[in-house]
Amino acid sequence: EPEVTQTPSHQVTQMGQEVILRCVPISNHLYFYWYRQILGQKVEFLVSFYNNEISEKSEIFDDQFSVERPDGSNFTLKIRSTKLEDSAMYFCASRWTGPNSPLHFGNGTRLTVT
Amino acid sequence: SQQGEEDPQALSIQEGENATMNCSYKTSINNLQWYRQNSGRGLVHLILIRSNEREKHSGRLRVTLDTSKKSSSLLITASRAADTASYFCATDAIQGAQKLVFGQGTRLTINP
Repeated sequence: EPEVTQTPSHQVTQMGQEVILRCVPISNHLYFYWYRQILGQKVEFLVSFYNNEISEKSEIFDDQFSVERPDGSNFTLKIRSTKLEDSAMYFCASRWTGPNSPLHFGNGTRLTVT
Repeated sequence: SQQGEEDPQALSIQEGENATMNCSYKTSINNLQWYRQNSGRGLVHLILIRSNEREKHSGRLRVTLDTSKKSSSLLITASRAADTASYFCATDAIQGAQKLVFGQGTRLTINP
């Protein structure tokens, strides 16, 4: 069964550094998402991406965050200048259509900012 | 906020018993979905119930939806130790948004 793959599985970075989290969504999916989950807490929506542009973003997704789909297969999340509070699990997800279809999640990247 | 609380936050039962988890939400929805998350892993879709459906079954899972009360329940029958995980409900709102909004989750522990 096709899977969403995320790399790296764990990233440690120093405060103020830039990080890029990478995802390969399922190939025929059209909608792409980033979510984050601070340890043991709720899964928070960051951003949705459709038709090569951001369709919606949350208050968390400020100017420090950006997303790209550079080559039709990868989907990346960049954090320009990491803060301690950015430490979390970041999940990429995709789905074939919008409403009434399930999300397929990757296994996440654990980001630790020191 | 589109999403309310899940209830209970944690549930511990003996293997073989049934587990019931509840979810409330605040806005009008297209559908409500349930996901499972094993520790340290991604979320896995379990079942989707549309706003015009009241009950849906999938194997040992039974989901109900009451749109008048803006609530849903997930019942896992004949629980197994392997069902130990966190369970999240998520809603697809009607108005414009293409995102799923997740609840707080219920941590389910099945004791052998």
